[in-house]
Amino acid sequence: GAGVSQSPSNKVTEKGKDVELRCDPISGHTALYWYRQSLGQGLEFLIYFQGNSAPDKSGLPSDRFSAERTGGSVSTLTIQRTQQEDSAVYLCASSFLGQGGDTQYFGPGTRLTVL
Amino acid sequence: GQQLNQSPQSMFIQEGEDVSMNCTSSSIFNTWLWYKQDPGEGPVLLIALYKAGELTSNGRLTAQFGITRKDSFLNISASIPSDVGIYFCAGAGANSKLTFGKGITLSVRP
Repeated sequence: GAGVSQSPSNKVTEKGKDVELRCDPISGHTALYWYRQSLGQGLEFLIYFQGNSAPDKSGLPSDRFSAERTGGSVSTLTIQRTQQEDSAVYLCASSFLGQGGDTQYFGPGTRLTVL
Repeated sequence: GQQLNQSPQSMFIQEGEDVSMNCTSSSIFNTWLWYKQDPGEGPVLLIALYKAGELTSNGRLTAQFGITRKDSFLNISASIPSDVGIYFCAGAGANSKLTFGKGITLSVRP
């Protein structure tokens, strides 16, 4: 596609349930990033992929959060046993090389609400 | 950890006015970026700065990368209603991982 796409756009779930969020990066982009944006806050880095490998997972807030990327393209962010504090907008971005100065293009985000 | 400071949280200006936003950091970054986010959308890159002291323009927008590499400012001249949105500064590390400020919400009165 022309840009980064994410699905679903909105997700409402009950506390304790697992959720999967999907990101389709721009075709040909090798680097993929996940960020979390809480209300009134800036974007918080979660994880970075270079190809299918994740050299930087330092932003994942707990072991309930995991992500994978397959075929150097689509990525899935999984949150297990969701908690209310997980409610946020989850944004995905991709860039061509993932090197310094490389522009990141963001998707529209998935708004997650945990009841 | 690294933090970027943006203040105030909100700014209100009259259409046609100029506005300046500042961003400071406790750490040095090699690249500074300014993004704008509209409601329900992801951030969109406005200006990227790669060299200390660099001054770059993009239409009515001008941004500068501070000499110390710990600050940057963004100027918007002759504001228009569509300038409304949240403006984020971000610093890029070695792997292009971005550290964001909390953003400034800009309102433009017609």
